[in-house]
Amino acid sequence: GAVVSQHPSWVICKSGTSVKIECRSLDFQATTMFWYRQFPKQSLMLMATSNEGSKATYEQGVEKDKFLINHASLTLSTLTVTSAHPEDSSFYICSAWAGGGYEQYFGPGTRLTVT
Amino acid sequence: AQSVTQLDSQVPVFEEAPVELRCNYSSSVSVYLFWYVQYPNQGLQLLLKYLSGSTLVKGINGFEAEFNKSQTSFHLRKPSVHISDTAEYFCAVSEYAGGTSYGKLTFGQGTILTVHP
Repeated sequence: GAVVSQHPSWVICKSGTSVKIECRSLDFQATTMFWYRQFPKQSLMLMATSNEGSKATYEQGVEKDKFLINHASLTLSTLTVTSAHPEDSSFYICSAWAGGGYEQYFGPGTRLTVT
Repeated sequence: AQSVTQLDSQVPVFEEAPVELRCNYSSSVSVYLFWYVQYPNQGLQLLLKYLSGSTLVKGINGFEAEFNKSQTSFHLRKPSVHISDTAEYFCAVSEYAGGTSYGKLTFGQGTILTVHP
């Protein structure tokens, strides 16, 4: 099946610093990548939708200046959490979608802890 | 807009017993339906999906689900569970092709299935 990787899988950073998370589709081209956030014992909340070569579309309530998304190619999207604060600590999951009726393929997630 | 309700937040069951995880959805347009499983500290793995055709869908690991349009439900079932099925299960919907939200997934709150020996 299709494989999506995320890097890093776990990161700890100090408050005020920025962290970049990569999402790669390893064996298919993803027209669209989605970024989700999951708090402990809660469901996934869609943060933004990113299409290759265009600006990301953010869901209501998500600060686009804080969560910078770049979709540089059909196999790579990055999420940068800028000026991170402890409340940004969460599990971030990306998914890649090839379009059509195909399902989204999820990455393994990145655990971000801001101290 | 669509919404998904998973009626049980936790389902405990004994090994080899049958299980049903309930999911209801609401949408003004046609949707695709999915069930995903999440093991601790991992991403989501697709169990099965309904796109069109037969309303009974079979997935991996012995799971199946039935799409009921009149009841707007997509319940997940397994006739005999194993310890390794212990995980969190998410029901999700995606708007049908051509919609403005096509491709976006809306998730239910999740159901934690715990299989006891």
